[in-house]
Amino acid sequence: AQSVTQLDSHVSVSEGTPVLLRCNYSSSYSPSLFWYVQHPNKGLQLLLKYTSAATLVKGINGFEAEFKKSETSFHLTKPSAHMSDAAEYFCVVTLTDKLIFGTGTRLQVFP
Amino acid sequence: DGGITQSPKYLFRKEGQNVTLSCEQNLNHDAMYWYRQDPGQGLRLIYYSQIVNDFQKGDIAEGYSVSREKKESFPLTVTSAQKNPTAFYLCASGAGTETQYFGPGTRLLVL
Repeated sequence: AQSVTQLDSHVSVSEGTPVLLRCNYSSSYSPSLFWYVQHPNKGLQLLLKYTSAATLVKGINGFEAEFKKSETSFHLTKPSAHMSDAAEYFCVVTLTDKLIFGTGTRLQVFP
Repeated sequence: DGGITQSPKYLFRKEGQNVTLSCEQNLNHDAMYWYRQDPGQGLRLIYYSQIVNDFQKGDIAEGYSVSREKKESFPLTVTSAQKNPTAFYLCASGAGTETQYFGPGTRLLVL
């Protein structure tokens, strides 16, 4: 069965330092994986998507994620955090015609 | 502007009352989805529709109903049978490429 586990419910970083949000997945076949971002009281916005092309996926706002099949991971990174990156981030895997969401990681960015 | 609109932004429900949340899209997507979001949890699928006049139950359909009479519209009714309706409700649409696009959400509160 398809599932995702976000390993940290909260991550705090200082502005200008790197961001790492961790996601492990479980899938019985080659999955499609996504990262979405949600700012407070807003809908979700797609950051990036992996669909079995390049394993390193570049997204919007300087984020990228690397698909590692051997580790069943799809961690989200950014070299330098900005205050506007403070939000909730969801790792998502596909299940036929549906999406399966992780429980989210709240990113705090301190000045 | 292309996109997904949800209304109202906030909705209050009295005991025993049915309320309807609106979702409209002008992206020409065939598929539409309704999710419920509770604090500290990921999104859970309530109902989805792949085509007009057809819809399927998601993981937590009890106490909810939907209709899909037009491609652009997918209203969700929260019935009196839903005993814990307080949540943030998100509508999404997709074009069959797995990526889903989300509306801004409706927050439902119980009086």
